[in-house]
Amino acid sequence: KAGVTQTPRYLIKTRGQQVTLSCSPISGHRSVSWYQQTPGQGLQFLFEYFSETQRNKGNFPGRFSGRQFSNSRSEMNVSTLELGDSALYLCASSLLGTGIANTGELFFGEGSRLTVL
Amino acid sequence: AQSVAQPEDQVNVAEGNPLTVKCTYSVSGNPYLFWYVQYPNRGLQFLLKYITGDNLVKGSYGFEAEFNKSQTSFHLKKPSALVSDSALYFCAVRPGYSSASKIIFGSGTRLSIRP
Repeated sequence: KAGVTQTPRYLIKTRGQQVTLSCSPISGHRSVSWYQQTPGQGLQFLFEYFSETQRNKGNFPGRFSGRQFSNSRSEMNVSTLELGDSALYLCASSLLGTGIANTGELFFGEGSRLTVL
Repeated sequence: AQSVAQPEDQVNVAEGNPLTVKCTYSVSGNPYLFWYVQYPNRGLQFLLKYITGDNLVKGSYGFEAEFNKSQTSFHLKKPSALVSDSALYFCAVRPGYSSASKIIFGSGTRLSIRP
């Protein structure tokens, strides 16, 4: 079974630009979560989507947004990029919510490393 | 509110010695607890989980973790450390009563195993 796929793996943008990151979950997983990882702030939860609906949201400004498609693939967008948005963005999928036996452990992709200049 | 604390930013252990990475949690109801490992420039990999039952949970790469309800802890352990165990380790928690609740991660502990 293929794992979680994130694209692109690396990208460089300049301040003020916007970026879209993509995540394809493990087949059958309907929950997709996004995390931002920085050396100073650790792993910060951005949002979670389940069946095309945002179910949980972290404490990030409105410049950070996401969506999920009917095939469970997800995208996140960051508009008006700031230097502080430089980070590793991790996507994780889960069976959460699709059965009483599942316990919701996350399966992560390799991440998209964003550098803002 | 749920939270996870990893009190040590870094743990240094000699190869062959036992290792412990500490984790304490706060959550309403029964917790689902997880450990993940991250190697440089990679995503997080699932190591093990505690849901219910035996307090000692065994996972990948010879790691195990002990759930202690009275101390609200879930420490990660390994009897004999390897240099290849050097990585960043994250503890995580989710309330077991809700399948819609999010998983919260600790701040991470960098494990360094010296030869």
